[in-house]
Amino acid sequence: GENVEQHPSTLSVQEGDSAVIKCTYSDSASNYFPWYKQELGKRPQLIIDIRSNVGEKKDQRIAVTLNKTAKHFSLHITETQPEDSAVYFCAASIGGNNRLAFGKGNQVVVIP
Amino acid sequence: NAGVTQTPKFQVLKTGQSMTLQCAQDMNHEYMSWYRQDPGMGLRLIHYSVGAGITDQGEVPNGYNVSRSTTEDFPLRLLSAAPSQTSVYFCASSYSTTMNTGELFFGEGSRLTVL
Repeated sequence: GENVEQHPSTLSVQEGDSAVIKCTYSDSASNYFPWYKQELGKRPQLIIDIRSNVGEKKDQRIAVTLNKTAKHFSLHITETQPEDSAVYFCAASIGGNNRLAFGKGNQVVVIP
Repeated sequence: NAGVTQTPKFQVLKTGQSMTLQCAQDMNHEYMSWYRQDPGMGLRLIHYSVGAGITDQGEVPNGYNVSRSTTEDFPLRLLSAAPSQTSVYFCASSYSTTMNTGELFFGEGSRLTVL
């Protein structure tokens, strides 16, 4: 099946602390794992992605780690700021036909 | 470049009415798709297309039709609207090929209410 699950559903952090969101997927053929950020009333936008031949990728304050054996990948946000408050969606490619299956999203709230 | 353009942004329908959500992209992307977003349900794939003349069903295709006559356009048709189709609809495109999945670029969304 094409199942992508995210935990926790809501995460509150103090400004300056780190936030970690974990996703699990079920399709062993998945090879592309993006994270999207959606601010209230806006469209989802890609913030970072990782492919199956890489274990970790960083871009300034955000990083993604991938464990293909365990079929999970995580988003790490360091030194959180109020503008990091949003819904974050993970996704995984399905088989070899370009589709992405999305998780249900995590609401991240950064408390000033 | 305008990116992905969706129209209309808002629409109210009565049960049984039909309508078309328009989507156009100017990035020469082969891959286009439609998602619906409902509270607590994430983004669910309705239909997708890997190129002009090719369409396929996603996770929740019932009640919707699509066509892809050109690379640029990918309209979504609601055949007979039902209250369960009240949702926010996103069109998205990508440079993805069969061998290389890539970033999805989303439109601004269309909020549809079916009474």
